[in-house]
Amino acid sequence: NAGVMQNPRHLVRRRGQEARLRCSPMKGHSHVYWYRQLPEEGLKFMVYLQKENIIDESGMPKERFSAEFPKEGPSILRIQQVVRGDSAAYFCASSPQLGQAEAFFGQGTRLTVV
Amino acid sequence: KNEVEQSPQNLTAQEGEFITINCSYSVGISALHWLQQHPGGGIVSLFMLSSGKKKHGRLIATINIQEKHSSLHITASHPRDSAVYICAVRRQETSGSRLTFGEGTQLTVNP
Repeated sequence: NAGVMQNPRHLVRRRGQEARLRCSPMKGHSHVYWYRQLPEEGLKFMVYLQKENIIDESGMPKERFSAEFPKEGPSILRIQQVVRGDSAAYFCASSPQLGQAEAFFGQGTRLTVV
Repeated sequence: KNEVEQSPQNLTAQEGEFITINCSYSVGISALHWLQQHPGGGIVSLFMLSSGKKKHGRLIATINIQEKHSSLHITASHPRDSAVYICAVRRQETSGSRLTFGEGTQLTVNP
């Protein structure tokens, strides 16, 4: 049973380009969470999705950021027109159900904007 | 003030020492997690607690719900334990398993 898979592990983008980060949850998991870890800072919640639904996006920046979790395929975190301040590690976690669910994290995608 | 506070921020120990990392939180929670993050690496869940105490190998985690405090203990520490240890809580009123994190404790264990 593969864990939470994120790709790419490292992503370099020039300012103004788009970044697409992918997360495949563990088999049987239908809840996905995206977190961001800025350099020298702690992890911060961004968005919580279930299949085809955004449940809580209160941590997402209002502009340039979007997320989806389609019926088929991985969850995608999309950052348009990246800026240097978007450079961070982006982690995805998945859980099987609500309630007392264990947190399973991916290896993260390290985004560098040059 | 952060909702989840960890202490110490940095901790250096000699191999074999007993280590304690503390976590205090200021909100009602349904669960508390202890996570481990190695440099440049992913995040591994060590424990999920809602009451009492859990043990896994040389790691022990305790929680006191009334005092809103949890501790992570490492017995007979080893250099491979060097990592950032992160306390995270699932707030009672939030959706799903969304977590709120402490700033982390950087642990270095010297041989």
